[in-house]
Amino acid sequence: DIQMTQSPSSLSASVGDRVTVTCRASHSVNNYLNWYQQKPGKAPKVLIYAASSLQSGVPSRFSGSGSGTYFTLTISSLQPEDFATYYCQQTYNDPRTFGQGTKVEIK
Amino acid sequence: QVHLVQSGAEMKKPGASVKVSCKASGYTFTSYAFSWVRQAPGQGLEWMGWISTYNGNTNYAQNLQGRVTMTTDTSTSTAYMELRSLRSDDTAIYYCARVSGVLVPAAPRPHQVFDVWGQGTLVTVSS
Repeated sequence: DIQMTQSPSSLSASVGDRVTVTCRASHSVNNYLNWYQQKPGKAPKVLIYAASSLQSGVPSRFSGSGSGTYFTLTISSLQPEDFATYYCQQTYNDPRTFGQGTKVEIK
Repeated sequence: QVHLVQSGAEMKKPGASVKVSCKASGYTFTSYAFSWVRQAPGQGLEWMGWISTYNGNTNYAQNLQGRVTMTTDTSTSTAYMELRSLRSDDTAIYYCARVSGVLVPAAPRPHQVFDVWGQGTLVTVSS
């Protein structure tokens, strides 16, 4: 199985900050990498697919980059509604493993 | 509008079985696969497997093999996930998710995107 490791596990940031979350794969997943946002009590929501493609309806302050084993999710200017937990997921092969999550909290 | 509506919360005893449903609306059911994802209390997301609504093909997570069965009923546009021999560590919120295959230039095969999710079903296993 491909292991997905996110860092940091949590971070504190202020509104307006630039925030970057990292995801590393134990083996190359090419660019078969998605990012999801989950708010408390809610189902996950896809933000980015294919490592860098913005899902329809997602604000442009979210961006993704990377290929192979190293990926990043960047929020260019953190907004109040962005405080949530973010997960990466590889869809290169089965099982479609998720990272352990990164919780973005208010400083 | 595309919606996935799951069945209600369940409380089960260890050793019992549970069957969660996920009713789809607003799109052509057989054009998309389904995956099931669970989330134990305070924990991350765990992929459980997927099912093709086209031909019923399935692939399950290794740690659930033999205990999980995913099915679909195209006549009612409903996906099902049954988990047997329940244990306390099966306590979790269970989500269904529609799987879209997105073509990206130069990609050898489509990218799978879990683009629509059900609201989740809490399954509690306790004696």
